[in-house]
Amino acid sequence: SQKIEQNSEALNIQEGKTATLTCNYTNYSPAYLQWYRQDPGRGPVFLLLIRENEKEKRKERLKVTFDTTLKQSLFHITASQPADSATYLCARGNQGGKLIFGQGTELSVKP
Amino acid sequence: EPEVTQTPSHQVTQMGQEVILRCVPISNHLYFYWYRQILGQKVEFLVSFYNNEISEKSEIFDDQFSVERPDGSNFTLKIRSTKLEDSAMYFCASSGNRGVYEQYFGPGTRLTVT
Repeated sequence: SQKIEQNSEALNIQEGKTATLTCNYTNYSPAYLQWYRQDPGRGPVFLLLIRENEKEKRKERLKVTFDTTLKQSLFHITASQPADSATYLCARGNQGGKLIFGQGTELSVKP
Repeated sequence: EPEVTQTPSHQVTQMGQEVILRCVPISNHLYFYWYRQILGQKVEFLVSFYNNEISEKSEIFDDQFSVERPDGSNFTLKIRSTKLEDSAMYFCASSGNRGVYEQYFGPGTRLTVT
């Protein structure tokens, strides 16, 4: 079955550092991967999408990579701020729009 | 900025009762989804809906579940006979296009079955 695995351990970093979150998938490469942010008790908020044929995508302080050899996506937040503290979800999608989410990685940025 | 809205924010019901969760997707979106998240667990896909039909559904979406777009703005999820294990946060999402596009999620309805 198609799975998405994220590091379930919380990531604690100092303000100003780069946070790097990992997402691994099983079986065949998904058509695309999406990254979402989720705050406690709230719905996921879309951040970035990367297609199978793209190596890297950037948006402001965010960067995502897609390595089909390693079956892995990395999500980076540069110059992290306490406001970036949240749970970050990786999701694989199919052409019909169905998203399969990982369990999320909780990021805590300390001032 | 347009957003997806959901009502109620919290629903408490007794086991065996029917519940209807309501969503108003973003107005020009055509693709609609329901997901659920049991406390402390992953967000799980339930169903996708387009052109007044279910496009895809998960194993969770059994005969107890149904979806409907009763008018041009609302999108509903009905659970006919709730079970304790249906307790979860239910998220509605919509997308302007199918497949490789971002989905916009609502704030969720917390369903508690007692």
